[in-house]
Amino acid sequence: EVQLVESGGGLVQPGGSLRLSCKASGFTFSTLWMTWVRQAPGKGLEWVANIKRDESEKYYADSVKGRFIISRDNAENSLYIQMNSLRAEDTAVYYCARIFYFHDTYPAIDYWGQGTLVTVSS
Amino acid sequence: DIQMTQSPSSLSASVGDRVTITCRASQNIRTHLNWYQQEPGKAPKLLIYAASSLESGVPSRFSGSGSETDFTLTISSLRPEDFATYYCQQTYGALTWTFGQGTKVEFK
Repeated sequence: EVQLVESGGGLVQPGGSLRLSCKASGFTFSTLWMTWVRQAPGKGLEWVANIKRDESEKYYADSVKGRFIISRDNAENSLYIQMNSLRAEDTAVYYCARIFYFHDTYPAIDYWGQGTLVTVSS
Repeated sequence: DIQMTQSPSSLSASVGDRVTITCRASQNIRTHLNWYQQEPGKAPKLLIYAASSLESGVPSRFSGSGSETDFTLTISSLRPEDFATYYCQQTYGALTWTFGQGTKVEFK
């Protein structure tokens, strides 16, 4: 059974930093792209970042570029996101998720974690 | 960046109704379009990938169509468990993705 379990969320002051972790199990983690998606309270989904199997490619939403860093440890089956210079508008539930390439061409998010809440407030 | 515009933002419907949600891309995304369902307090669930392919285990009352810039999600006969929020997502190009703003399907 595929499982994705996030941790590391909490309350942080504006300008502060936080590192989220995601522990994966039930599939061969090192073979798949991974992603972070967030959802502000009462709002829609916002894609945050993607990372390739071997970390050779990373992509970020403009809203987090230069402040967030996505990474992974394939030996530990873990995905991370380092969030720096946090702002009130970064307050959201952060989901770790798996990207699957259907027919080797069409990527989609087929498994999601339960999410971890990050609150940026003084 | 590619923008995704969903409509309507919300709709009211009854069990048994046919429901259609549309998603428009700001540029040609071929068929790199996915649909997700999200129930309150839960993570999203993949319904449709590549614009029209049904994810395994998803009921056949859900269908997707479209290409290039205009896409549609249809629920042929609404069931009680379908009252949720639906999102489109484009996955075209240099792996910078975008979601639509969501459509909340409410009970009439």
